[in-house]
Amino acid sequence: DVKVTQSSRYLVKRTGEKVFLECVQDMDHENMFWYRQDPGLGLRLIYFSYDVKMKEKGDIPEGYSVSREKKERFSLILESASTNQTSMYLCASRGQGRTEAFFGQGTRLTVV
Amino acid sequence: AQTVTQSQPEMSVQEAETVTLSCTYDTSENNYYLFWYKQPPSRQMILVIRQEAYKQQNATENRFSVNFQKAAKSFSLKISDSQLGDTAMYFCAFMKQIGTARSEKLVFGKGTKLTVNP
Repeated sequence: DVKVTQSSRYLVKRTGEKVFLECVQDMDHENMFWYRQDPGLGLRLIYFSYDVKMKEKGDIPEGYSVSREKKERFSLILESASTNQTSMYLCASRGQGRTEAFFGQGTRLTVV
Repeated sequence: AQTVTQSQPEMSVQEAETVTLSCTYDTSENNYYLFWYKQPPSRQMILVIRQEAYKQQNATENRFSVNFQKAAKSFSLKISDSQLGDTAMYFCAFMKQIGTARSEKLVFGKGTKLTVNP
């Protein structure tokens, strides 16, 4: 089974802190994605990566950056956390040429 | 840009009954994929069912089936014989046909919270 693992289930950070959310997949997938999930807004794409060191902005990239130094790992970085970044963050991966995406369990981030 | 609309924020159904979740989408593409994903409470999102736009036949997966109306850009999910374990958020999603360059991404609706009552 494909496994997508996010490093933390729950995270509480202070305003202004630099925050790292880590995601690891074990199926050699080329494509990885970071979504933000908010009630009433569904899932919105922050960034995605289609190869090592390659990245593209999604629909809401402001305030975020990403890093993909290894194929299996995709990190989401909040350079200076703000309260409006309090949310559930979902990581997903998908094999090249495949249609099914596999999701991690999510990280619920609270910025205080 | 593609958009996906789920007009029912919440629904409920009695165990063993049938329920239909609605989804409409907007696109100028001719070839694409449509999905229903399920997110149980505090659990990972999983794929329920997938439909290729070029296929006229509606997809089915056990108790789950879709009604795909390409001209109307409608993609509803029918759950038959509802079970307590079907309680979850359900997301409709769209993806353009996978090309040779880079990657296509999923565009999600806002979700429908389904509760199955005993």
